[in-house]
Amino acid sequence: GNSVTQMEGPVTLSEEAFLTINCTYTATGYPSLFWYVQYPGEGLQLLLKATKADDKGSNKGFEATYRKETTSFHLEKGSVQVSDSAVYFCALRGSSASKIIFGSGTRLSIRP
Amino acid sequence: DAGVIQSPRHEVTEMGQEVTLRCKPISGHDYLFWYRQTMMRGLELLIYFNNNVPIDDSGMPEDRFSAKMPNASFSTLKIQPSEPRDSAVYFCASSLSDTQYFGPGTRLTVL
Repeated sequence: GNSVTQMEGPVTLSEEAFLTINCTYTATGYPSLFWYVQYPGEGLQLLLKATKADDKGSNKGFEATYRKETTSFHLEKGSVQVSDSAVYFCALRGSSASKIIFGSGTRLSIRP
Repeated sequence: DAGVIQSPRHEVTEMGQEVTLRCKPISGHDYLFWYRQTMMRGLELLIYFNNNVPIDDSGMPEDRFSAKMPNASFSTLKIQPSEPRDSAVYFCASSLSDTQYFGPGTRLTVL
């Protein structure tokens, strides 16, 4: 079945550091891939998405590229800010499915 | 649009009591999802609806849990009787395409 594996946290970085959160997936067909972010006390919200191979999703300085050859969708940001502290979820939606499969989440903390 | 609306935001109850959580999806969305989030188990999909019809309830933990969607603008998740292990944050989400929009959640504490 479909599944998502993301790096375990917590991840702690200093402000302006480079961020990578790894995500790999297992799926049949051509899934859509997502990164969701959850700020403290809030629900999840879509950060970015990519719907086909080699697509790059981007938003708020974050980027992720859909790599079919490595079944990966790693999240990157060149210079993190304290306000980026949150939990990040990698997720996929199968090509014939309605529901989204979420990873376990990675907690990110940014030190001033 | 106001987004997905959930009520109450916080609920504290005693073991054995009935709990009802409510959700109003974004107008026009045809899918509605109920999730539960805990530190131990992470984010779990409980049930989802399409056009008010339950499609997959395989995530509902046991018969104490039930969910209804009487119309396109309202859904409930009921727990009867509640137990301490039901303590969690319950999220409702709605979608029209591939993106799900989450509500702020209901934090349930069962004493």
